[in-house]
Amino acid sequence: NAGVTQTPKFQVLKTGQSMTLQCAQDMNHNSMYWYRQDPGMGLRLIYYSASEGTTDKGEVPNGYNVSRLNKREFSLRLESAAPSQTSVYFCASSFRPPTSLQETQYFGPGTRLLVL
Amino acid sequence: AQSVAQPEDQVNVAEGNPLTVKCTYSVSGNPYLFWYVQYPNRGLQFLLKYITGDNLVKGSYGFEAEFNKSQTSFHLKKPSALVSDSALYFCAVRDMAPRDLGYSTLTFGKGTMLLVSP
Repeated sequence: NAGVTQTPKFQVLKTGQSMTLQCAQDMNHNSMYWYRQDPGMGLRLIYYSASEGTTDKGEVPNGYNVSRLNKREFSLRLESAAPSQTSVYFCASSFRPPTSLQETQYFGPGTRLLVL
Repeated sequence: AQSVAQPEDQVNVAEGNPLTVKCTYSVSGNPYLFWYVQYPNRGLQFLLKYITGDNLVKGSYGFEAEFNKSQTSFHLKKPSALVSDSALYFCAVRDMAPRDLGYSTLTFGKGTMLLVSP
């Protein structure tokens, strides 16, 4: 049981390049999330997927797109990377009971992205 | 909108002494509250959560947190700090009241660096 895995661990991009960050979970969770972590700003939600087949914008979605490929996988795409997107990106997943908001998010190890 | 404040960027404590990491929150309904810890170059690890019931919540690694509704606080505590507790700690809140049958998400504080000296 690996939990939440993310690839790659580290990536350097040039401005304007595109890339996709991959996330997978093996806990049969229905909800998945993408956050970015910047110094002094905590974690900010980029996009989330409450269930397979749905995605919604979080606090900072501009410049990103997501795909919930199946129940296990949730990818984050940068179509044209900018230096402002230099950050550490975390994927998380949780099980959301149908009639309750009582759930705990579990995080992957993160992807460090540097955009030059 | 829900929000979380962690008023201290850094907390310094000597090993063996008690520690407190502060968190205050603001939500429209009753809160779900969480503490996570992040060790260097690692992801966030879940420590504990408050849903309802007893105001003192016990979690992993000897940590506990006290929920105080009147002060809208959820401070993280440990009776005796270890050097290995040195890490970045995040408080998070989830609004218990669903809006328009939609989905509410976690809001994180900016984090507090805990440094435990030998």
